[in-house]
Amino acid sequence: GAGVSQSPSNKVTEKGKDVELRCDPISGHTALYWYRQRLGQGLEFLIYFQGNSAPDKSGLPSDRFSAERTGESVSTLTIQRTQQEDSAVYLCASSPQATGELFFGEGSRLTVL
Amino acid sequence: AQTVTQSQPEMSVQEAETVTLSCTYDTSESDYYLFWYKQPPSRQMILVIRQEAYKQQNATENRFSVNFQKAAKSFSLKISDSQLGDAAMYFCAYPSRGDGTASKLTFGTGTRLQVTL
Repeated sequence: GAGVSQSPSNKVTEKGKDVELRCDPISGHTALYWYRQRLGQGLEFLIYFQGNSAPDKSGLPSDRFSAERTGESVSTLTIQRTQQEDSAVYLCASSPQATGELFFGEGSRLTVL
Repeated sequence: AQTVTQSQPEMSVQEAETVTLSCTYDTSESDYYLFWYKQPPSRQMILVIRQEAYKQQNATENRFSVNFQKAAKSFSLKISDSQLGDAAMYFCAYPSRGDGTASKLTFGTGTRLQVTL
C-alpha cells in the first residue's frame, strides 16, 4: 500500500495479558518510529529504528515494552503483562532518512480492562 | 533537552475567519526543520506545513502559513479563511537529533481548534 499500515486498529485485552502491535511502513523508508498517545494528550516518543537497529529506545516506559524490526520493513511493538495505564493509541510513523518529516499510520487503540 | 511548548490548549474560530496557533521551542542547533501536524477525529496525523530554519521566508501552503521568528524561537501557524474541515488537534513538532543521521520528532501538547458557523 501507499501509506503506513497498522494492525490491529483496535485491541481490547485483559490486564496481565501480552499484546503485539504491528506496523508496516512505507516502502523505502529507512526510519520507523513508535509513539504513544493517551486520551486527550500529546504524542509520547517510545522508540526509533534506523533499518533494523534501534539507536534510540529511551522512551520505552518499562521493560514490559519491547520492539523489533525486520530489515527496513515490518515492526512489532510488544507489551507484556499489560496494565490499565497502557491503554492508549499507539502510533507508528516512517520517514525517509534525515528529513524529520514523519508519515503516520492510523494507530492501534489498546484498551486494557 | 529540546522542548516544544503550545500554550493554547483550545482555540475557536468562526468559519471564513483567520486564527493563529502559537508554538515556541527550545534548541541549541542552528539548522533544523519545524513542522505543524493536524490530527482530525479520525486520528491519523497529517503534515500541514514545514519550515526550514535557514530560510528567512515564511512557508505557505494554500490557506496555511507560518510566522517563523528564529531568534525568538517562535513558530506560529496561521489558518486563513477557516473551514469546518480544519477542526482538529494541531501539533507543533521539532526534530530532536538522535545519532546524527536521522531524527525523531518532539511534539507539543497540541491545540484543539474548533470551527464554528
